[in-house]
Amino acid sequence: DAGITQSPRHKVTETGTPVTLRCHQTENHRYMYWYRQDPGHGLRLIHYSYGVKDTDKGEVSDGYSVSRSKTEDFLLTLESATSSQTSVYFCAINKGGQQETQYFGPGTRLLVL
Amino acid sequence: QKEVEQDPGPLSVPEGAIVSLNCTYSNSAFQYFMWYRQYSRKGPELLMYTYSSGNKEDGRFTAQVDKSSKYISLFIRDSQPSDSATYLCAMSAWQAGTALIFGKGTTLSVSS
Repeated sequence: DAGITQSPRHKVTETGTPVTLRCHQTENHRYMYWYRQDPGHGLRLIHYSYGVKDTDKGEVSDGYSVSRSKTEDFLLTLESATSSQTSVYFCAINKGGQQETQYFGPGTRLLVL
Repeated sequence: QKEVEQDPGPLSVPEGAIVSLNCTYSNSAFQYFMWYRQYSRKGPELLMYTYSSGNKEDGRFTAQVDKSSKYISLFIRDSQPSDSATYLCAMSAWQAGTALIFGKGTTLSVSS
């Protein structure tokens, strides 16, 4: 158990609506990440955070924003959901001692109709 | 050329077989190499972690890294039905804060 929870675990929404996904960690790790996983593409980084209010873009950041107001929470927002954002979203953290490795949450399945 | 190439399979083997999973990569700056196991509808689970070249063994699992050939492998000995999952290789050049670059995963099925 990586000490990560994601909410909601499943969501169905309509095109054009805003959606916020939450990642919560219990161990005060500095680095947090959002990935999406799609068939044929594997896991790709959307955004990551290296501290409270410190975030940066990843490979596929267009259409997404993030916020981190507390160490334990990292929020991913789809400003105006599109069908191409239908995916499985994973949050990950780096744990101390092995900073190079990442540990993943259980994922959120998002369907945009 | 993709940064990380991984044969998607599927790979089907009988229980007890030795399984070999492989990835090739193009970025010579990669120094950290990982294997993740992902069961259906679950998050990736870190299985093995190796820094630079060499071998690492953990129970029935052995990870090998050959940086000269830009090739990494995961061997599973005495495979079990519980090993049926998708295996993802991942690698990175730096420490925390850098994205892992993933292969697309190999789906393994072990039949009893």
